Amino acid sequence: GAVVSQHPSRVICKSGTSVKIECRSLDFQATTMFWYRQFPKQSLMLMATSNEGSKATYEQGVEKDKFLINHASLTLSTLTVASAHPEDSSFYICSAGVGGDYEQYFGPGTRLTVT
Amino acid sequence: AQSVTQLDSQVPVFEEAPVELRCNYSSSVSVYLFWYVQYPNQGLQLLLKYLSGSTLVKGINGFEAEFNKSQTSFHLRKPSVHISDTAEYFCAVTKGAQKLVFGQGTRLTINP
Repeated sequence: GAVVSQHPSRVICKSGTSVKIECRSLDFQATTMFWYRQFPKQSLMLMATSNEGSKATYEQGVEKDKFLINHASLTLSTLTVASAHPEDSSFYICSAGVGGDYEQYFGPGTRLTVT
Repeated sequence: AQSVTQLDSQVPVFEEAPVELRCNYSSSVSVYLFWYVQYPNQGLQLLLKYLSGSTLVKGINGFEAEFNKSQTSFHLRKPSVHISDTAEYFCAVTKGAQKLVFGQGTRLTINP
């Protein structure tokens, strides 16, 4: 149980285009979803926290107009990288949590490469 | 604010040898502690967690960790490692509301 999927697993796009990444909880309802960014050989940095039906809470230094998060249902959250640039190239990982449970369940990640 | 320090960025170990990956945290309040493993190009998998109770926590794949409140540590151990344990290991802490703070990671390399 507690499986989280991400789609796509890998995406290459041209500079200036927008990219959408989906995060789904497959066998449970996630009250909260988290989006992380991981640079090569570095740790995960929390970008934002989203609760179903409400606006995402962004961490300091994360541009909300560039990284658009939508948590439309209890099983789906999307991250859209608007007007992507090469410096946005990274590994993006989502996780999902259930209210009252301190554990997060992580997706397999999406590698974004902007050329 | 909480912070997590993993004292070793890389740990090379021979197969079947014991290993300890060190993790220290700083927090003025009670916290919950986690160890995650990440294989190349994959997400994170939970190894074990400490929420309360016994300070010795057993996890998957033969790993265990001990919560030491006085030393603010949560070191991960395995008595005998296997080649398949080669991965990146992350210590993380939360004081609630599920917001995790991760350490820098420790790359465990198992040599035959």
